[in-house]
Amino acid sequence: RKEVEQDPGPFNVPEGATVAFNCTYSNSASQSFFWYRQDCRKEPKLLMSVYSSGNEDGRFTAQLNRASQYISLLIRDSKLSDSATYLCVPRSWGKLQFGAGTQVVVTP
Amino acid sequence: NAGVMQNPRHLVRRRGQEARLRCSPMKGHSHVYWYRQLPEEGLKFMVYLQKENIIDESGMPKERFSAEFPKEGPSILRIQQVVRGDSAAYFCASSPGTASGNTIYFGEGSWLTVV
Repeated sequence: RKEVEQDPGPFNVPEGATVAFNCTYSNSASQSFFWYRQDCRKEPKLLMSVYSSGNEDGRFTAQLNRASQYISLLIRDSKLSDSATYLCVPRSWGKLQFGAGTQVVVTP
Repeated sequence: NAGVMQNPRHLVRRRGQEARLRCSPMKGHSHVYWYRQLPEEGLKFMVYLQKENIIDESGMPKERFSAEFPKEGPSILRIQQVVRGDSAAYFCASSPGTASGNTIYFGEGSWLTVV
């Protein structure tokens, strides 16, 4: 089983709609989690950190289910600028192991 | 407070030449990570270093690739005798430590093209 698995998408989302997608991880020792976003030909940028059951930051909500070992990201009121690849990253010791990412395309 | 600085941003090398990519971590960060991203693919971990030590090089190809993070100066990712398949974006990241809450911040990347 891969350390991190994500639905690659793309998720085509009308502007203003809500989109949610999951990430499953295999290392039960992961203590914290990060969501990064990556735009085409750009570096990954931190979107959100999750240390407990979840986190909310504006239109973005992350929820962690440790029992089932998945973390979700929900984007409300999608903007065109939300179009990107979203990378789920469980954090334990040492390196960050990235999933392949979920592509989101917000359309007018 | 400068972020992670990488140079060169773009590098073109002929097959068989050497490529050297440099990375200066954020101020106060002593841990450096190198990732490679091939076109249309995800980020692949290559190597994790602290000052003067390689902590985890499980993602480094066995030949032609090496990395260092000397006591003074930037971290260097060195690729000898480059081949076309080495063409990729190489991202460096840094963190203050390895605790699970420590966030990793990325540089803007170095784009290597092998012709």
